Amino acid sequence: KAGVTQTPRYLIKTRGQQVTLSCSPISGHRSVSWYQQTPGQGLQFLFEYFSETQRNKGNFPGRFSGRQFSNSRSEMNVSTLELGDSALYLCASSLAAAGGYTDTQYFGPGTRLTVL
Amino acid sequence: AQKITQTQPGMFVQEKEAVTLDCTYDTSDQSYGLFWYKQPSSGEMIFLIYQGSYDEQNATEGRYSLNFQKARKSANLVISASQLGDSAMYFCAMREGWSGSEKLVFGKGTKLTVNP
Repeated sequence: KAGVTQTPRYLIKTRGQQVTLSCSPISGHRSVSWYQQTPGQGLQFLFEYFSETQRNKGNFPGRFSGRQFSNSRSEMNVSTLELGDSALYLCASSLAAAGGYTDTQYFGPGTRLTVL
Repeated sequence: AQKITQTQPGMFVQEKEAVTLDCTYDTSDQSYGLFWYKQPSSGEMIFLIYQGSYDEQNATEGRYSLNFQKARKSANLVISASQLGDSAMYFCAMREGWSGSEKLVFGKGTKLTVNP
């Protein structure tokens, strides 16, 4: 079974631009979560989508948004990029079949975004 | 409040020896899951092992085992017979049962270096 895929793997943008990152979950997985990883803040939860609905959101400004499609693929968008948005963006998927705390999240390889 | 604490920024171990990576957590929930992930320099987060709060036995997966001490709120990862390929960042993470989502809270990580 194919793992979680993320595109693009690397991205260079300038301040003020916007960017869209894509994530394809493992087949059959209904939940997709996004995380931002930086050297200073570590791994921080951005948001989670389940059945095309945002189920949870982290403490990030409104410039960060996302969506999920009917095939569970997800995109996240960052508008008006700032230098501090430079980070590794990781997508993770899970079955979310039983709910609760037992589901394992499987991560993609990440998109490394550099904002100049 | 920080919920996952990994007190060892870096650890060194000789090849073929065992190593323990520490993780303590804080939650008032009775239902929670604890996860360990490995992140090589390539960036992808690799799931290693899971422990549920109601599991009476310590989890094991091959060379990985989890030393779960619920009263102390610790979930240390033990890697037996270390290999050079084990050199990576290791993250402890928790999901609380009440959250109703797949959100994981991560610790700051421990960088493990395996010496030949």
